[in-house]
Formats: sequence, structure tokens, C-alpha cells
Amino acid sequence: GENVEQHPSTLSVQEGDSAVIKCTYSDSASNYFPWYKQELGKGPQLIIDIRSNVGEKKDQRIAVTLNKTAKHFSLHITETQPEDSAVYFCASMDSNYQLIWGAGTKLIIKP
Amino acid sequence: ETGVTQTPRHLVMGMTNKKSLKCEQHLGHNAMYWYKQSAKKPLELMFVYSLEERVENNSVPSRFSPECPNSSHLFLHLHTLQPEDSALYLCASSRQGQASSGNTIYFGEGSWLTVV
Repeated sequence: GENVEQHPSTLSVQEGDSAVIKCTYSDSASNYFPWYKQELGKGPQLIIDIRSNVGEKKDQRIAVTLNKTAKHFSLHITETQPEDSAVYFCASMDSNYQLIWGAGTKLIIKP
Repeated sequence: ETGVTQTPRHLVMGMTNKKSLKCEQHLGHNAMYWYKQSAKKPLELMFVYSLEERVENNSVPSRFSPECPNSSHLFLHLHTLQPEDSALYLCASSRQGQASSGNTIYFGEGSWLTVV
């Protein structure tokens, strides 16, 4: 079955710098890859997603890149701000059309 | 406010107790989910209901029993739980029960469960 690995588990960056979180997946048939952000005391919330027919997608300071050959995708956050501090989860769709999730990355923005 | 409301937010129960978690969605969605979230682990999908029919059950122990009386409400009935079942239980909903672009999953804030 599908397996998703996410790195790093914790990432600390200076405010204003960029942050990159990486995920790898195992099922080459996967074609949908969302990223969710979970703030303290809240449930995860979709921030950006990408389909396999696209290599990159941007939304203001957030971008996601996909390398289908290598089976990995990454979340890029530029000009980080304190409100970016949260846990970020990647996911990949399995053969049953359900999401398989990474273990999460705790992003800490240092002032 | 995501449109998915979970109660209670916190629950402490003994191993011999019977309790229930409740979820309600106000988004007009047709699919509802229960997830288990443990520290530093991936979200674990427990159950999926689509149009009130269970379509996914990921080998969850029978001490967890879901109920979906209509497309807006979802329950998780708990009995004879173990301490290792202590976790955050997240309810979610989406327009349809299959992951895809445009079918965003909306999560509630979760119910923190502690089994003593």
C-alpha cells in the first residue's frame, strides 16, 4: 500500500527566511497531493494541493513542487511570519481514493 | 470555524466506561470521517461514511463503533478502551468520499480522549 514519509519532523527558521518541507510517496499511481496546516488546538486545514499533471503550484508565499519520477513533493514557504508556526502535514492519495498522511513537521518561526 | 463541530472537546474515561464522541457538519457534505491523531504519527483514518453508508473501515478494533444516522451527524461509540487509545480524535467531512482536487476535507477541532 501507499506509504508517505515526511521530513524534517521539526524545522526552526528565522522570521523572514524560507522553509522547505519534503515528502516522499511509494505508489507511482498516486495523482493528488495536498498539504494541511494544523495550528495549536485546531484541526488540520488545507493550504495548497497539487495534481500529478502539474509540476509546481503557487499561492502567494506558499508553493508546492512535485517530482513524479523521484516520487517526492515539497512545500515551500517564503518570507516566513510568526503566524506560519504550526504543524504541517503532507498526504498522498492511495488506490482506494483515501489520503495517506505524513507524520507531520512542526515549523517554528524564530523572531 | 470550519463548519465541523465536535463534542466533547475533552473526555477522560475509565477502561470499563462507555462513552460517545459526537460530530456535526453544517457544510452540506455527503462524506464524514473519523481520524485518530497520536503525537508524532501520521493521521490514521478509522472510518469513512459516504451518503450514510460506511465505505472504509481500516481494521479498527471493535471497541470503537461508528454510527452515522444522517449525512450531517457522526458518532464514535467507545467501550472497554485501553490506555493506548488515548489520542486526539478528529472528525472531518467533504463533499464526496473520495480524495481529489476540489474535494477538500474539513476537520473539526478534535476530541481529546484520555483513557485511565
